[in-house]
Amino acid sequence: QSVLTQPPSISAAPGQKVTISCSGGSSNIGNNYVSWFQQLPGTAPQVLIYDNDKRPSGIPDRFSASKSGTSATLGITGLQTGDEADYYCATWDNGLVFGGGTKLTVL
Amino acid sequence: QVQLKESGPGLVKSSETLSLTCTVFGASVTSGNYYWSWIRQPPGKALEWIGYIYYNGRTLYNPSLKSRVTMALDTSRNQVSLKQTSVTAADTAVYYCARTTIVTKLLEFWGQGTLVTVSS
Repeated sequence: QSVLTQPPSISAAPGQKVTISCSGGSSNIGNNYVSWFQQLPGTAPQVLIYDNDKRPSGIPDRFSASKSGTSATLGITGLQTGDEADYYCATWDNGLVFGGGTKLTVL
Repeated sequence: QVQLKESGPGLVKSSETLSLTCTVFGASVTSGNYYWSWIRQPPGKALEWIGYIYYNGRTLYNPSLKSRVTMALDTSRNQVSLKQTSVTAADTAVYYCARTTIVTKLLEFWGQGTLVTVSS
């Protein structure tokens, strides 16, 4: 059972927008920055977002995120088939904690 | 360019000790700017943080694994090591090493991962 709660799966058509939620508590999301990771099949995770809403260089602006209270949200616009992956939120709570992951299917 | 590469036995017997090494290229494990973490992922399951080590040897471990885990630095070889004792089938996973920039908490660089299977 993960400390951070994400929907197990989500699906949408190419070109559409999706949001993935991440729910935690005051000891983790409520008082720490949130990161988001994309894990393409068979590969290591890659950071998409850090410090709640910052994108590392090279990450397209189709990816955005926000945090409010004890929850965070990742948004992806202009969905592409290449976005099909597992997405994880993470934050610090006496160590690094991850969400259970959300499998995004692009139909 | 920073690269991390995990290495170690792919098969470990139940109750024995898992030992992995992460070799770092393009950055120094003696830098005070980074944490060096181990993260694992059982097949088909979510990521789980094992712990991190700082340049001065200070460590922080996942409370659920703390009693079985030890991390260390080999500064002469620019490596980070992980030892995990008394393994069971539940420890079968892909093990990743990764670098976090302390100021930004940016977990930016990951190794490719190495699969460790625990056999009975």
